[in-house]
Amino acid sequence: EDKVVQSPLSLVVHEGDTVTLNCSYEVTNFRSLLWYKQEKKAPTFLFMLTSSGIEKKSGRLSSILDKKELSSILNITATQTGDSAIYLCAGPSYGGSQGNLIFGKGTKLSVKP
Amino acid sequence: GAGVSQTPSNKVTEKGKYVELRCDPISGHTALYWYRQSLGQGPEFLIYFQGTGAADDSGLPNDRFFAVRPEGSVSTLKIQRTERGDSAVYLCASSLSLGDSGELFFGEGSRLTVL
Repeated sequence: EDKVVQSPLSLVVHEGDTVTLNCSYEVTNFRSLLWYKQEKKAPTFLFMLTSSGIEKKSGRLSSILDKKELSSILNITATQTGDSAIYLCAGPSYGGSQGNLIFGKGTKLSVKP
Repeated sequence: GAGVSQTPSNKVTEKGKYVELRCDPISGHTALYWYRQSLGQGPEFLIYFQGTGAADDSGLPNDRFFAVRPEGSVSTLKIQRTERGDSAVYLCASSLSLGDSGELFFGEGSRLTVL
């Protein structure tokens, strides 16, 4: 059964810290891995990764995929209180449509001033 | 509005009742998805529409759950004979197509509480 496992489940840091969130993706046939940010209710898209070793970057956030290990990390540098959210990792279900995503439980990040 | 709109935002019902949840996707988005999220869990896939047809309904938990999208825009998720275990936030998302970006645009969700 395909599975997405995230760690840690929760994390508390102070503003200015750098954090690394982990995602491992146990799938029968890897296609892609996605990161979303959920602040209150609606998850918002951050990155989609398909190629190993290629970093995707957006401002202070960056993510990279290790296709061999079927894992990804999401880095946030110089954290701000506005980065407090649940960060979700997901991947398409094997045998399902591309929109049939399996999500991990998420990492709840709290950034203290 | 510009985003995905879901109504109602909150629904409290009694066990055994029938419930309808509505999703109005971003204009022009042909793909529409329903997920549900329980406390402390990630979203769980229910069903995906491409246009008017359900392209993948493999996530619907049982035959009490049904969804329609008759004109290829607004979708309604219907839950019959609700049970306490159906309590969750029901999220709707839309996208232009499955495409390569992986980006789904989610609504704020409908929180369903079954007493």
